[in-house]
Amino acid sequence: GAVVSQHPSWVICKSGTSVKIECRSLDFQATTMFWYRQFPKQSLMLMATSNEGSKATYEQGVEKDKFLINHASLTLSTLTVTSAHPEDSSFYICSARGPGGETQYFGPGTRLLVL
Amino acid sequence: AQTVTQSQPEMSVQEAETVTLSCTYDTSESDYYLFWYKQPPSRQMILVIRQEAYKQQNATENRFSVNFQKAAKSFSLKISDSQLGDAAMYFCAYREYSGGSNYKLTFGKGTLLTVNP
Repeated sequence: GAVVSQHPSWVICKSGTSVKIECRSLDFQATTMFWYRQFPKQSLMLMATSNEGSKATYEQGVEKDKFLINHASLTLSTLTVTSAHPEDSSFYICSARGPGGETQYFGPGTRLLVL
Repeated sequence: AQTVTQSQPEMSVQEAETVTLSCTYDTSESDYYLFWYKQPPSRQMILVIRQEAYKQQNATENRFSVNFQKAAKSFSLKISDSQLGDAAMYFCAYREYSGGSNYKLTFGKGTLLTVNP
């Protein structure tokens, strides 16, 4: 149980385009989801907390107009990287607060390469 | 914000042996959760074990156990009978309150575990 999927797993895009990443909780409902960014050989950095039906809460230093988050249902949150640039290339991971609320379960991540 | 410190960037262990990974944290709260996650080369984050601070008993999951010392704010992970599949980056995480009904995880920098055959 508590499975989280992410799509796509890999995406390559041109500079200036927008990319949407989906995060789904497959076997449970998640009122809260999280988006992280991870650089090579580094820890996870929380970008934002996403609550179903309300605006996301962004961490300090994260541009909310660049990283658009939508949590429209209890099983789906999306992260849109708008006007992507090479410096946005990274590994993006989502997680969902699982049944019981104490534990976060993670998706497999999305590798984004902006050319 | 709370801080989580993993003082061992890298560790190695022989297959079938035991290894302990260290983690300390800073908090003024009395009730909280602590977690160990592993991230193998696939980069999928996998929950290894969790500990509730109000519970005195150390959590155990098969070959994985923790030594939770609340007063010392220490939360080490012991892996017994190490297997090649245990090779991964291990992250210690503290769950902190972030407002409203929300909590967020603060991660340490990780310990890269190598298992030698």
